[in-house]
Amino acid sequence: SAVISQKPSRDICQRGTSLTIQCQVDSQVTMMFWYRQQPGQSLTLIATANQGSEATYESGFVIDKFPISRPNLTFSTLTVSNMSPEDSSIYLCSVEPQGAWGYTFGSGTRLTVV
Amino acid sequence: AQSVAQPEDQVNVAEGNPLTVKCTYSVSGNPYLFWYVQYPNRGLQFLLKYITGDNLVKGSYGFEAEFNKSQTSFHLKKPSALVSDSALYFCAVRARGGGFKTIFGAGTRLFVKA
Repeated sequence: SAVISQKPSRDICQRGTSLTIQCQVDSQVTMMFWYRQQPGQSLTLIATANQGSEATYESGFVIDKFPISRPNLTFSTLTVSNMSPEDSSIYLCSVEPQGAWGYTFGSGTRLTVV
Repeated sequence: AQSVAQPEDQVNVAEGNPLTVKCTYSVSGNPYLFWYVQYPNRGLQFLLKYITGDNLVKGSYGFEAEFNKSQTSFHLKKPSALVSDSALYFCAVRARGGGFKTIFGAGTRLFVKA
């Protein structure tokens, strides 16, 4: 299975600022997925990132707020822009390795906006 | 639209007793079904999957799940619970032909008491 290195693991940020989260995978994958897990809640898909094309965003999420980069088959970033306390969540990247069924998740980024 | 329901927020069981964590789903056609586990202060881990074939699937750590098409259920089971099984469990569904988009249930917190 794939191994994902996600960073930062946690951060406390001021409202109005932006934070970029990075995910590095140890193998090439076509798609990477970004999820949000709000306190005490389930995972909500933010967007799907394909290499070489714009990310596909789910309803309720927009590119201006959550810009995503996918420069190659092993790396992606998610930026949380113009943050407010409502953005306080755990953000997770995930992949489904070639030939596998089921996601491998990064360790998550716990974001607190003050 | 696809959805997943985990009707129990919390399940309590004594160590050594069998455990069941319930999951029902709604999706067009035959689904792909998954269980994931989130241990305290650790990332999400893939536990098991149903893709096709035998309705009873076995996964990691002695867990198994049974796909019941008529009841649209995919309950997670283990014959003998361990204290170390205490964690947050998520059921997830993916529609066939719907790409890799996976929808997660709200999660069920399992407490195993010694």
